[in-house]
Amino acid sequence: DQQVKQNSPSLSVQEGRISILNCDYTNSMFDYFLWYKKYPAEGPTFLISISSIKDKNEDGRFTVFLNKSAKHLSLHIVPSQPGDSAVYFCAASAPGNEKLTFGTGTRLTIIP
Amino acid sequence: DTGVSQDPRHKITKRGQNVTFRCDPISEHNRLYWYRQTLGQGPEFLTYFQNEAQLEKSRLLSDRFSAERPKGSFSTLEIQRTEQGDSAMYLCASSKFGTVQETQYFGPGTRLLVL
Repeated sequence: DQQVKQNSPSLSVQEGRISILNCDYTNSMFDYFLWYKKYPAEGPTFLISISSIKDKNEDGRFTVFLNKSAKHLSLHIVPSQPGDSAVYFCAASAPGNEKLTFGTGTRLTIIP
Repeated sequence: DTGVSQDPRHKITKRGQNVTFRCDPISEHNRLYWYRQTLGQGPEFLTYFQNEAQLEKSRLLSDRFSAERPKGSFSTLEIQRTEQGDSAMYLCASSKFGTVQETQYFGPGTRLLVL
């Protein structure tokens, strides 16, 4: 049972344009959502998070949007840079349940 | 602060051998997590500690797997009688219990190959 889904395995975006990565979840108990970035042979690096009491969180070039009614979140990167090329994972946790549940990841390629 | 460290970074072993991995969390973090990641998948939760107490174990953690955090600092993950299906990246993460938005920070991982 895949509780967190990233339906796009890959995405290519021109340098300087906006990258939009999507994530859907099924567990309505999830209240904290995170995005991680992963380079090959390295561990995931925390990017940005959002609590369920918010619908938007922004940090520099990265913005995460949460639509609780649709059980959907998205990560916007603008402008996209070549160093953004990596695999991006969406993760979620529920209150009192400290483990993170991850999606299967989206490979983002920024085209110079 | 040097972040979460893991040792070794790579391990090749033969089926049936025992292996042990070590994780050193960020110094002020009292929670420590182990995850496993296989090709094409996201990390999957294995177990976690708060200080030295192991508070949750996943069904993925068979009897051949054991984790310890004896003094509430570093942790070890041991796999006994390794099988080819154990080949994966083993990730450690740590967090600080009690922060408003508790974020887990990951180490570089240990890549295990069982021949």
